Amino acid sequence: NAGVMQNPRHLVRRRGQEARLRCSPMKGHSHVYWYRQLPEEGLKFMVYLQKENIIDESGMPKERFSAEFPKEGPSILRIQQVVRGDSAAYFCASSPRAEPNYGYTFGSGTRLTVV
Amino acid sequence: GQNIDQPTEMTATEGAIVQINCTYQTSGFNGLFWYQQHAGEAPTFLSYNVLDGLEEKGRFSSFLSRSKGYSYLLLKELQMKDSASYLCAACTYYKLSFGAGTTVTVRA
Repeated sequence: NAGVMQNPRHLVRRRGQEARLRCSPMKGHSHVYWYRQLPEEGLKFMVYLQKENIIDESGMPKERFSAEFPKEGPSILRIQQVVRGDSAAYFCASSPRAEPNYGYTFGSGTRLTVV
Repeated sequence: GQNIDQPTEMTATEGAIVQINCTYQTSGFNGLFWYQQHAGEAPTFLSYNVLDGLEEKGRFSSFLSRSKGYSYLLLKELQMKDSASYLCAACTYYKLSFGAGTTVTVRA
């Protein structure tokens, strides 16, 4: 029973390029959450998705960032025209339901470095 | 907004006990999570408290006081493998607000 799979583990992009981060939730989990962890800071909520729907994107920067969770395939976090400040670890989590006591299972993260 | 505070670092000796405190101010509070995170790895679930009191799970225990906005994680019989960052997170329905994490270093 594979856990939450994120790829790539490490991603290097030059300023101005696009970054695509992928997340495959655990089997049976239809709720996906993206968090960002900046150096020396806690994880910050970005977006909550269910299949084909964005439920809450209140933590997403208004520009350059987008997320999707299509009917088929992984959830994608897309960052256009990356800047140095986007360098961070991006974690995806999934859960079978939205109720908190079911908890999240986190993936191992994608570490994005913008050069 | 959400405000979660926990100490930055703690050091303890193998076999000892360490208590990591966490205070939170959050609207719509719906439970308190603790996660363990080793460097470069995924946060892994340790405990969840929604009612006041102590929850014990082997060497790890977690306490919650909702009226005081306070929680702690107690690690007993420390082992070298317990060296990690410990994350306190307050839950508002489906959304977790994390503290910056407490780095625990276990010395031989």
